[in-house]
Amino acid sequence: GNSVTQMEGPVTLSEEAFLTINCTYTATGYPSLFWYVQYPGEGLQLLLKATKADDKGSNKGFEATYRKETTSFHLEKGSVQVSDSAVYFCALSDLPGSSNTGKLIFGQGTTLQVKP
Amino acid sequence: ETGVTQTPRHLVMGMTNKKSLKCEQHLGHNAMYWYKQSAKKPLELMFVYNFKEQTENNSVPSRFSPECPNSSHLFLHLHTLQPEDSALYLCASSPRLWDRTNEQFFGPGTRLTVL
Repeated sequence: GNSVTQMEGPVTLSEEAFLTINCTYTATGYPSLFWYVQYPGEGLQLLLKATKADDKGSNKGFEATYRKETTSFHLEKGSVQVSDSAVYFCALSDLPGSSNTGKLIFGQGTTLQVKP
Repeated sequence: ETGVTQTPRHLVMGMTNKKSLKCEQHLGHNAMYWYKQSAKKPLELMFVYNFKEQTENNSVPSRFSPECPNSSHLFLHLHTLQPEDSALYLCASSPRLWDRTNEQFFGPGTRLTVL
């Protein structure tokens, strides 16, 4: 079945460090890929998405490129800030099919802690 | 109000109580979802509604009873819960269900504690 695997956290970085959070997926068909972020005490917010191979999603300095050959969608940011401390979720949405409805399948989440 | 709202934000209940969680979306979407988020567990999809009709129930215990009176409102009725049901309950909506580019919009969640 479809699944998403994220690197385990927590990831602890100093301010202005480079961030990479790995995400790989297993899916039939041609999924769309998403990164959501959850700040403390809040719900999830869409950070960026990519709907086809080689697409790059970007927002607020974060980027992720849809790599079909490696089935990956790694999240990167060149210089993190304390305000980026949150939980990051990778997710996929596959084509409708016999068992898919286009709903999202989430990874387990990766906690990022950025220290001043 | 804009986006997806949830009330209450916090709820403490005993195991014999009956309570309801409310979700409202102001986005004109047709699909709505309930998720459970527990500590150290991935997001668990509980129920999916499309145009007010339930399309998915992921083996959720009957002590959780969803209701979707229209495309803008979604309820989760709770009764005789267990302490392990304590979690953050998230509501989400999306424009439509059968679309792989579906982006879901989430509410802030209800933090539920069962004593």
